[in-house]
Amino acid sequence: QKEVEQDPGPLSVPEGAIVSLNCTYSNSAFQYFMWYRQYSRKGPELLMYTYSSGNKEDGRFTAQVDKSSKYISLFIRDSQPSDSATYLCAMLNSGGYQKVTFGTGTKLQVIP
Amino acid sequence: EPEVTQTPSHQVTQMGQEVILRCVPISNHLYFYWYRQILGQKVEFLVSFYNNEISEKSEIFDDQFSVERPDGSNFTLKIRSTKLEDSAMYFCASSEVGQRTGELFFGEGSRLTVL
Repeated sequence: QKEVEQDPGPLSVPEGAIVSLNCTYSNSAFQYFMWYRQYSRKGPELLMYTYSSGNKEDGRFTAQVDKSSKYISLFIRDSQPSDSATYLCAMLNSGGYQKVTFGTGTKLQVIP
Repeated sequence: EPEVTQTPSHQVTQMGQEVILRCVPISNHLYFYWYRQILGQKVEFLVSFYNNEISEKSEIFDDQFSVERPDGSNFTLKIRSTKLEDSAMYFCASSEVGQRTGELFFGEGSRLTVL
């Protein structure tokens, strides 16, 4: 079983739709959960960061972590064409704090 | 806004040649990292660097790889004898208080093509 699993997509939605992106993981030591956005041929950019289980909201973005199910989600409300990018989930355990483990990324396209 | 800068943006080299990728991290950051992304695959951790020494490295970071902070601003990744499978996008990243929060700031990447 892969340490972090993420559906690669592509996911295509109309402008204004609610987008749900998900990752599952197997390492129960992961404590910090991040979502990065990566535009084509660019470096990843941190969008959201959450510690342990719970929800975090930032504008149109909501991150959810369910440690009991080893499942994390990113919701994008009122999606815009500028949200078209690859979204990477990423995780970090409290001990190995130097090494972030990334998912493969989900490619999202928002159609105007 | 402060940013991580990387050079070159693209390098083409012959198999067996040495390559040096350069990075200027954000000035007040103390932790530095190299990640790579093979086309179509996930971003993979290579190495982290703090206080002028490697703090952690992955199994990918073998004896062919080395990192250095030659002065107060640059951070370099050297690949001693490149292989075809080293072709990838290499990302430098830096963070302010250690990677505990996962808040890495990435550069735009250096695309390495090994022929």
